[in-house]
Amino acid sequence: EIVLTQSPGTLSLSPGERATLSCRASQSVPSRYLAWYQQKPGQAPRLLIYGSSSRATGIPDRFSGSGSGTDFTLTISRLEPEDFAVYYCQQYGSSPWTFGQGTKVEIK
Amino acid sequence: QVQLVQSGAEVKKPGASVKVSCKVSGYTFISYGINWVRQAPGQGLEWMGWISPYDGNTKYDQRLQGRVTMTTDTSTSTAYMELRKLRSDDTAVYYCARGSPNDYWGQGTLVTVSS
Repeated sequence: EIVLTQSPGTLSLSPGERATLSCRASQSVPSRYLAWYQQKPGQAPRLLIYGSSSRATGIPDRFSGSGSGTDFTLTISRLEPEDFAVYYCQQYGSSPWTFGQGTKVEIK
Repeated sequence: QVQLVQSGAEVKKPGASVKVSCKVSGYTFISYGINWVRQAPGQGLEWMGWISPYDGNTKYDQRLQGRVTMTTDTSTSTAYMELRKLRSDDTAVYYCARGSPNDYWGQGTLVTVSS
């Protein structure tokens, strides 16, 4: 099983600041099988990024993904008030698909 | 528009079974797999398994093997997830999600296991 470790656990930032979230895999993940999701309280997760760097439909361009192998990054260039949420990475290339434990982006 | 609509909340006793449904609309059901993901209170996301509505092929997380069964009914475009021998740590919100990556999600079904 591929274990995904996200860091930091919590990121305290102000609106307008840049957020950089990390996802490290216990073994190599093909880039085309790495996704990022956003989840707000009481809601289902929402797909942001797939294939490590492709934005899902309707996702603003302030969200970007990068990385390869075992190290992947989600960047939010300028935080908007609606971006404060929990973010999860997921690999779906090797069964069982697995999620990271999440990074909470909170208002400082 | 694509929609996945799940059945309502359930309360079960330990040892019982639960079956959650996920009715899809807005796309061709057999064209995408359905994943099931659960989230215990205050915890992260846990992938449970996947089913192909096209041929019924399944993949299950080994930790649930033997207790979970995923099925589909193509005549009604509905996916089902049955979990047996429920324990208190199965208390969670259960989600169905389309495809891999999971681009559309159901609204979630809270399953509470309590004596």
